[in-house]
Amino acid sequence: DTAVSQTPKYLVTQMGNDKSIKCEQNLGHDTMYWYKQDSKKFLKIMFSYNNKELIINETVPNRFSPKSPDKAHLNLHINSLELGDSAVYFCASSPLAAEKLFFGSGTQLSVL
Amino acid sequence: EDKVVQSPLSLVVHEGDTVTLNCSYEVTNFRSLLWYKQEKKAPTFLFMLTSSGIEKKSGRLSSILDKKELFSILNITATQTGDSAIYLCAGNYGGSQGNLIFGKGTKLSVKP
Repeated sequence: DTAVSQTPKYLVTQMGNDKSIKCEQNLGHDTMYWYKQDSKKFLKIMFSYNNKELIINETVPNRFSPKSPDKAHLNLHINSLELGDSAVYFCASSPLAAEKLFFGSGTQLSVL
Repeated sequence: EDKVVQSPLSLVVHEGDTVTLNCSYEVTNFRSLLWYKQEKKAPTFLFMLTSSGIEKKSGRLSSILDKKELFSILNITATQTGDSAIYLCAGNYGGSQGNLIFGKGTKLSVKP
């Protein structure tokens, strides 16, 4: 069973569109994250949720909106996609008060 | 500003060689330093280091932290082609768990 699963794996879309990426973890972890990895492989945190509550919101355009319906799910909705949003987006989870993150396999977003 | 710097950025070796990857950090409220391996997609956890001078080992991989000089090294002995990957170092900076700041990674290529 996949511990942290995110869908879709690939997403190709036009500028200006709205898209969502879904993430689910079956590890029973309390904290979930979204990370962005750019073309230079630089991995940077975007959001962190602890038990459905937002605890980290780095400097991310407000076109990006995370939603956590329950502690096992953290979805990412992106409005008005721009070329610069092209990247790989990773979902991750960790137990409470633990730094060891478990990553999903990533969603490669290409904005044309 | 918090930062994590890895060197070298890329490295090409032959099977059987020993490699040392470097990670220096400037992280406020430092809690721990983590190493991840990223092959095709998701980064996978290797080590978490919190105390200076205590080596962590897993098979041919080992890592150590120097909190005085603010760096860590990851050693891989008797490298194999399966060790080819990007190795990411991350510092955990204050506040909530999972506040990881990643370095840009070292791309290791092991030739047969």
